Amino acid sequence: GAVVSQHPSWVICKSGTSVKIECRSLDFQATTMFWYRQFPKQSLMLMATSNEGSKATYEQGVEKDKFLINHASLTLSTLTVTSAHPEDSSFYICSARGTEQQETQYFGPGTRLLVL
Amino acid sequence: GQNIDQPTEMTATEGAIVQINCTYQTSGFNGLFWYQQHAGEAPTFLSYNVLDGLEEKGRFSSFLSRSKGYSYLLLKELQMKDSASYLCAVMDSNYQLIWGAGTKLIIKP
Repeated sequence: GAVVSQHPSWVICKSGTSVKIECRSLDFQATTMFWYRQFPKQSLMLMATSNEGSKATYEQGVEKDKFLINHASLTLSTLTVTSAHPEDSSFYICSARGTEQQETQYFGPGTRLLVL
Repeated sequence: GQNIDQPTEMTATEGAIVQINCTYQTSGFNGLFWYQQHAGEAPTFLSYNVLDGLEEKGRFSSFLSRSKGYSYLLLKELQMKDSASYLCAVMDSNYQLIWGAGTKLIIKP
């Protein structure tokens, strides 16, 4: 299967700081990348969908000014959590899909964020 | 509304067979996916069904009936490492993945 990397894997930060998470497709071009959040013992929650070169589409209830997404190339998308607060502590996972809409999404290993 | 149902938790014995069911009601259908997620890790892709029938891949098989809105994941010769959550996801008419809450599978020796 296709490989997706995510960096960093772990972040601990103080409340009020901003955190940037990178998602890279290593061996394929990802037209679309997805950002998910998962709280302990809960299912995946889609935060936003980003297409290369265009603005991200955010799910209802997700603040676009707080979770900034940039998808500047076919292999890289970034999620920036601005002014993070303890309630933003979660497991953030990206996934990437190739050029066809019906293709499989491949997940990165996830980033665990802890805001103190 | 769109809905994916799967059991919350199942328990099985090492070496046995287990079937995890998934029923769905979505606006349109462009395929059904099964993912495995170990605790603290991201999901990994297991299977994709878009036509009715059984797809076999080693110890894992996935079945789909579009008319019934039903799928199952069959795991044979269970191993302790199969203890994980299994997520069912349906791609709707907008090519969005609708996720089930996952089935936690506990394997006992």
